[in-house]
Amino acid sequence: AQTVTQSQPEMSVQEAETVTLSCTYDTSESDYYLFWYKQPPSRQMILVIRQEAYKQQNATENRFSVNFQKAAKSFSLKISDSQLGDAAMYFCAYRSKGSQGNLIFGKGTKLSVKP
Amino acid sequence: DVKVTQSSRYLVKRTGEKVFLECVQDMDHENMFWYRQDPGLGLRLIYFSYDVKMKEKGDIPEGYSVSREKKERFSLILESASTNQTSMYLCASSYPGSTDTQYFGPGTRLTVL
Repeated sequence: AQTVTQSQPEMSVQEAETVTLSCTYDTSESDYYLFWYKQPPSRQMILVIRQEAYKQQNATENRFSVNFQKAAKSFSLKISDSQLGDAAMYFCAYRSKGSQGNLIFGKGTKLSVKP
Repeated sequence: DVKVTQSSRYLVKRTGEKVFLECVQDMDHENMFWYRQDPGLGLRLIYFSYDVKMKEKGDIPEGYSVSREKKERFSLILESASTNQTSMYLCASSYPGSTDTQYFGPGTRLTVL
């Protein structure tokens, strides 16, 4: 069975600085999808970024980028120029390509942004 | 914009009560999901449905059932609520495809006394 591990329960970053959130996963599959979701306090969970395992190029969405290391089964999220609105729980998630769409989530990392 | 709504943001029930949590999506998504979110445990899948009247057990289905009579609506049922079912419940939907993003509802914080 696949597992997703986020080893940092909490992280803190100064506004305008860069922070990296870690995620590792375990799978025997070769083709799959990885996601980072953001859950702001008392607000809905939203997708931040998505990576397809067969693509070697790291996904980027504005200030958010990933470092996808397939051999190491690592999928970290880098947030550049951190803003106060980035404060949230961040969840890493895995989906098998052949699945019906259900995600396997990590336990989350709570990110605080200091002004 | 995709919209996923849940019937209640906060709910307080008594032990032994039958509880219904409703989820509605407006984007004609085939897939719908119910997760439970607990501090330090992340999100765990309870049930999901990939079509009307179809359902599949997730990782923690015990004590729960679901109903999907219409494509846009997916209900989670606690037949006899217990205190260990106090939690945040999140509904999500997605369109099946290679990169099906899941869209989440705002969540229902259920307290069972």
